[in-house]
Amino acid sequence: NAGVTQTPKFQVLKTGQSMTLQCAQDMNHNSMYWYRQDPGMGLRLIYYSASEGTTDKGEVPNGYNVSRLNKREFSLRLESAAPSQTSVYFCATPGTYNTEAFFGQGTRLTVV
Amino acid sequence: AQSVTQLGSHVSVSEGALVLLRCNYSSSVPPYLFWYVQYPNQGLQLLLKYTSAATLVKGINGFEAEFKKSETSFHLTKPSAHMSDAAEYFCAVSEYSSASKIIFGSGTRLSIRP
Repeated sequence: NAGVTQTPKFQVLKTGQSMTLQCAQDMNHNSMYWYRQDPGMGLRLIYYSASEGTTDKGEVPNGYNVSRLNKREFSLRLESAAPSQTSVYFCATPGTYNTEAFFGQGTRLTVV
Repeated sequence: AQSVTQLGSHVSVSEGALVLLRCNYSSSVPPYLFWYVQYPNQGLQLLLKYTSAATLVKGINGFEAEFKKSETSFHLTKPSAHMSDAAEYFCAVSEYSSASKIIFGSGTRLSIRP
């Protein structure tokens, strides 16, 4: 039982390149989130999905797209990476009625 | 809208001293409140949570937090700091709703002096 699995763990991109961060959960939860973590700013919500087939913007959605492929998987895509997107990205899935969030181990992305 | 404010981006205490990390929240309905811990280069781990039961919540590693509605606070404490407590701590708030989001504070880095 892996919980929440993110890939890759590390990535270096050049400005303008694209990539997709993958997230999968085996907890049978409906909701999934993508956060970014930057020093001194805590975790900021990029996009979330309350259920399969639905996605909504969070606090900082610009420059990102998401796909809720099925109940298990929620991917985050950077179409044209910028240095401002250098960050640590976390996927999370909250328990029923938000009693707790379960996190992946994070993806450390550097855009040069 | 919900929000969380963590007072102090960096707290330093001596080993064996009291740890106090401050968190104030804003919510239009009764909240759920959480403290998470993040060790270097790792993900977030739940320390404890308040979900409208007992106002004094005990968590892992000797930490506890008290929900005070009148002060809109949920401060994290530990009577005696240990070197292994050095980490970043995040307070978070959500509501009892599948449509609600979990909102995090900006974090407090805890350092322990020998």
